[in-house]
Amino acid sequence: GAVVSQHPSWVICKSGTSVKIECRSLDFQATTMFWYRQFPKQSLMLMATSNEGSKATYEQGVEKDKFLINHASLTLSTLTVTSAHPEDSSFYICSPIGTAERDEQFFGPGTRLTVL
Amino acid sequence: GENVEQHPSTLSVQEGDSAVIKCTYSDSASNYFPWYKQELGKRPQLIIDIRSNVGEKKDQRIAVTLNKTAKHFSLHITETQPEDSAVYFCAARNRITGNQFYFGTGTSLTVIP
Repeated sequence: GAVVSQHPSWVICKSGTSVKIECRSLDFQATTMFWYRQFPKQSLMLMATSNEGSKATYEQGVEKDKFLINHASLTLSTLTVTSAHPEDSSFYICSPIGTAERDEQFFGPGTRLTVL
Repeated sequence: GENVEQHPSTLSVQEGDSAVIKCTYSDSASNYFPWYKQELGKRPQLIIDIRSNVGEKKDQRIAVTLNKTAKHFSLHITETQPEDSAVYFCAARNRITGNQFYFGTGTSLTVIP
């Protein structure tokens, strides 16, 4: 399977601060990146889809000014949670998609964000 | 868009028994159906998948069946073991129209030793 890294694996921050999460596809070029959020005992919720070099497309109910996504290269995408609040505490998972005709979806290891 | 429903939300079985999780989907054009196992605090891991041109697929103790007419697919785990305890998600995807996966709501499986 594909090798996907995510950093940091966990972070604790104070309310009002911003947190940046990095997602890297280490062995293939990710033309598309999905960002998911998962609350405890719930399914993966798609937040946004980004394509390399263009603006991200956000799902309904996800604030684009709060969750900034940058997909500047084919191996790196970042999600910045701005002015974080306790309700933003969640498990954030990235999932890159490459150009190859592959059905499988691979996930990053996830970032556990806790906002105090 | 696609809508995937998953049942049951929780499932407890005795070790050695079988477990079955069912999903339905709404978009008849969906053509790829993976199943993921997620342990607490970890990423989802693909355990088995099936494409729309196949009705059944088996990998050791795990099998998936697909009924395209009824638009449902099921995960079967036989001879369950305590390490099978996890949350399982189904998903559906239409590779032709896009890359997006639509996930079920998850099933928390507990295998009782």
